[in-house]
Amino acid sequence: ETGVTQTPRHLVMGMTNKKSLKCEQHLGHNAMYWYKQSAKKPLELMFVYNFKEQTENNSVPSRFSPECPNSSHLFLHLHTLQPEDSALYLCASSQDSSEYTDTQYFGPGTRLTVL
Amino acid sequence: GQQLNQSPQSMFIQEGEDVSMNCTSSSIFNTWLWYKQDPGEGPVLLIALYKAGELTSNGRLTAQFGITRKDSFLNISASIPSDVGIYFCAGTEYTGTASKLTFGTGTRLQVTL
Repeated sequence: ETGVTQTPRHLVMGMTNKKSLKCEQHLGHNAMYWYKQSAKKPLELMFVYNFKEQTENNSVPSRFSPECPNSSHLFLHLHTLQPEDSALYLCASSQDSSEYTDTQYFGPGTRLTVL
Repeated sequence: GQQLNQSPQSMFIQEGEDVSMNCTSSSIFNTWLWYKQDPGEGPVLLIALYKAGELTSNGRLTAQFGITRKDSFLNISASIPSDVGIYFCAGTEYTGTASKLTFGTGTRLQVTL
């Protein structure tokens, strides 16, 4: 595997379900990110982890819970979601989010549908 | 926060034509990045620009970092059907402790045969 991978690629869940999204990067990076992309809206940054420490939570509801066990893996735990949470969830990684010029590389995304 | 104005919003061109799109901001960015996103996929990095005035090519793609650091353009020469997709510009600003990435609203490119 190369680059940034995400599983599953597609997920359908009910509002009472609990599920998790997984992201893995094979680039030797130290920063990982979760973004939400809704139809006809710009990408919204959700969370940033740098060297396993959460450095940003962009006012995300608590029904989204991130976990970063190491610099290569990032999870997004989902529970009691709402239909408006349906979107493409993108993971990205970069060398070091504290660097002056830092470039992010994206995974293929997980298409989430909440019924 | 920063806003990126990307234009045009959409383009319909014929195969073989050249394409030009641009982004402007109200403030200065440290880097400009251009991504392409296919339906149901994540953005793929096309070109990264790190210095004001920098002109960089990647195959048929050419992008420039404006000298004012507030704008960038992307040109695609001799378009082909696989160029179809949404192109996003993105700029990074440094907050003092972290680099933050802001995306433009995208340019949807359609190529007709």
